[in-house]
Amino acid sequence: DIQMTQSPSTLSASVGDRVTITCRASQSISNCLAWYQQKPGKAPKLLIYKASSLESGVPPRFSGSGSGTEFTLTISSLQPDDFAIYYCQQYRTYPRTFGQGTKVEIK
Amino acid sequence: QVQLVQSGTEVKRPGASLKVSCKPSGFTFTSFAYTWVRQAPGQGLEWMGWISPNSGVTHHAQKLQGRFTMTTDRATSTAYMELSSLTSDDTAVYYCAKDRDPMAGDGFDTWGQGTLVTVSS
Repeated sequence: DIQMTQSPSTLSASVGDRVTITCRASQSISNCLAWYQQKPGKAPKLLIYKASSLESGVPPRFSGSGSGTEFTLTISSLQPDDFAIYYCQQYRTYPRTFGQGTKVEIK
Repeated sequence: QVQLVQSGTEVKRPGASLKVSCKPSGFTFTSFAYTWVRQAPGQGLEWMGWISPNSGVTHHAQKLQGRFTMTTDRATSTAYMELSSLTSDDTAVYYCAKDRDPMAGDGFDTWGQGTLVTVSS
């Protein structure tokens, strides 16, 4: 199975900060990577697919980059609505594994 | 409106079996594949399995081998998951989700509301 490792596990930031989350795959997944945002008690929401394609309706302050084994999710200017947990997920092979999550909290 | 509607909260005894349904609306049921994901309390997302309503092909997590089954009913346009021999470790919110793209997958763009399952004696 492909292991997905996110860092950091928790990130403290302020409104307006630029935030970057990293996701590493244990083997190459090309660009078969998605990012999700999850808020308490809610289902995850797709933000990014194909590593860098922005899902319809997602604000452009969210961006993704990377290919192969290293990927990043960047929030260019953190907004109050962005405090949540973020997950990466590979869909190159089965099982379609998730990272362990990164909690973005208020500093 | 594109959505997935899941069956309601379940409380099960250890050793029992569970069946959760997932019914799409706003799009053609057979146009996309479906995935089941669960989330234990305070934990991350765990991919459980994937099923194509068209081909019946399934892929599932090895750790669930032998006690996890996914099916679809094209007549009622409903996807189901069944999990047997439940233990307290199966206490979680169970989600169904649909692939964003029928061919490439490209993540899951629509999720059900989640079904809370509690396994307790």
